[in-house]
Amino acid sequence: EAQVTQNPRYLITVTGKKLTVTCSQNMNHEYMSWYRQDPGLGLRQIYYSMNVEVTDKGDVPEGYKVSRKEKRNFPLILESPSPNQTSLYFCASKRNSYNSPLHFGNGTRLTVT
Amino acid sequence: DAKTTQPPSMDCAEGRAANLPCNHSTISGNEYVYWYRQIHSQGPQYIIHGLKNNETNEMASLIITEDRKSSTLILPHATLRDTAVYYCIVRSILTGGGNKLTFGTGTQLKVEL
Repeated sequence: EAQVTQNPRYLITVTGKKLTVTCSQNMNHEYMSWYRQDPGLGLRQIYYSMNVEVTDKGDVPEGYKVSRKEKRNFPLILESPSPNQTSLYFCASKRNSYNSPLHFGNGTRLTVT
Repeated sequence: DAKTTQPPSMDCAEGRAANLPCNHSTISGNEYVYWYRQIHSQGPQYIIHGLKNNETNEMASLIITEDRKSSTLILPHATLRDTAVYYCIVRSILTGGGNKLTFGTGTQLKVEL
C-alpha cells in the first residue's frame, strides 16, 4: 500500500532532550516536507526537500533540522526541544511534477514539558 | 498564491449532496484550485484539483466558475465519514518554495443523520 509512515505517533519528552521523528515513503517521491499544525495557526511548513541531499527552509524552520540521505526517508530532528515546539507534526511527499498531489502521513503528536 | 475564503462551518444531512464553496477572486491564470480534507487530526487527504474545467473523480466533483473567481466542491452523497475540515487551496504552477501548499482555516463540514 502506498503510504507515508511517521514514527512515533505520540511522544512526550522534556526540554532539551534531543529527539528524532522519522518519516518514510514507499512511492519513490522526489519531494518531501514537514508541517506542524497548531490551533488557530493551521498547517505551517517547517522544511522541505526537492530530492536526495537537497533541503530548504519552509516558513517556521527555527529549532528544527532535517536530512535527506535517501529518497524514501526524511527525518525531523529537534536538537534541543522547547515547550513551544509542542505540536502536531505531519510529513508529506509528492512527485516533483507541479500537478501531483501531496500525500500526508498520519501525524506525530509531540509534547515537550 | 491567491488567497481563498471559505465559510467556517457547514452542516449536511447524510445521503444528501454537500456543496462546499470557496472564493478565490484574485486567482491568476496559472493557478490551480486544490481541495484537501482533514478528518479529526489525521493527515490531510487529497480530494481533487482543477484549473478551469469541471473535474470529477471517485470522491467528489469540482465546479469552477467561468471567471475562475470561485469554485464548489461537491460530495454527491455525504456520509458520516465525510465529517472533516475541508481546505480549498490555490497554488501556482510557477510557485517556488518547493511545491508548498498554504493551508487556510478551511470549512468544518458536519454530516448528521
